[in-house]
Amino acid sequence: EDQVTQSPEALRLQEGESSSLNCSYTVSGLRGLFWYRQDPGKGPEFLFTLYSAGEEKEKERLKATLTKKESFLHITAPKPEDSATYLCAVRGGETSGSRLTFGEGTQLTVNP
Amino acid sequence: EAGVTQSPTHLIKTRGQQATLRCSPISGHTSVYWYQQALGLGLQFLLWYDEGEERNRGNFPPRFSGRQFPNYSSELNVNALELEDSALYLCASSPRGGVQTQYFGPGTRLLVL
Repeated sequence: EDQVTQSPEALRLQEGESSSLNCSYTVSGLRGLFWYRQDPGKGPEFLFTLYSAGEEKEKERLKATLTKKESFLHITAPKPEDSATYLCAVRGGETSGSRLTFGEGTQLTVNP
Repeated sequence: EAGVTQSPTHLIKTRGQQATLRCSPISGHTSVYWYQQALGLGLQFLLWYDEGEERNRGNFPPRFSGRQFPNYSSELNVNALELEDSALYLCASSPRGGVQTQYFGPGTRLLVL
């Protein structure tokens, strides 16, 4: 069974204070690791897809990296508008179909 | 390009009733997925439809069912509602084959009283 664990559960940063969110996973035959951002009461917004260890993707202040056991979402010089819950999900092997298995998320708060 | 749309935005039902939730995928997408996000819990996979067929099902009872129409829109039906069915129901879509990124709609908030 695919499993995803995110840490920390919650993170408070000052504006400009860089940090990283962790996503550890156990999956048989990874067919994609996904990062989403979710604002309260809204649907998840797609950020990145990573497929293989060593892959990195960047978008504005965010950078996602992938190893064989975990992924990191690095936030550089965050702003208050980066406050949200960040979700990590994996798509496993063929027996998992196309379902995504999500972690519980990291709730990020950036104070001005 | 329009994103995934869902209706209604909010739905209030009483225990034992039936609820019907609707989803329209992004134009050109043939796969539709349903997830449940209960308060304080992560997203849980419910159902996957592709080309009008149910392809995969999560660990939910049979009273959760759905269908996909020829235009690729989808319905999620929840029968015999229970209090614990109260949640945000999210629909996502992806291009053909279901191996691409899933894009989510805004969700339907279901409250069971």
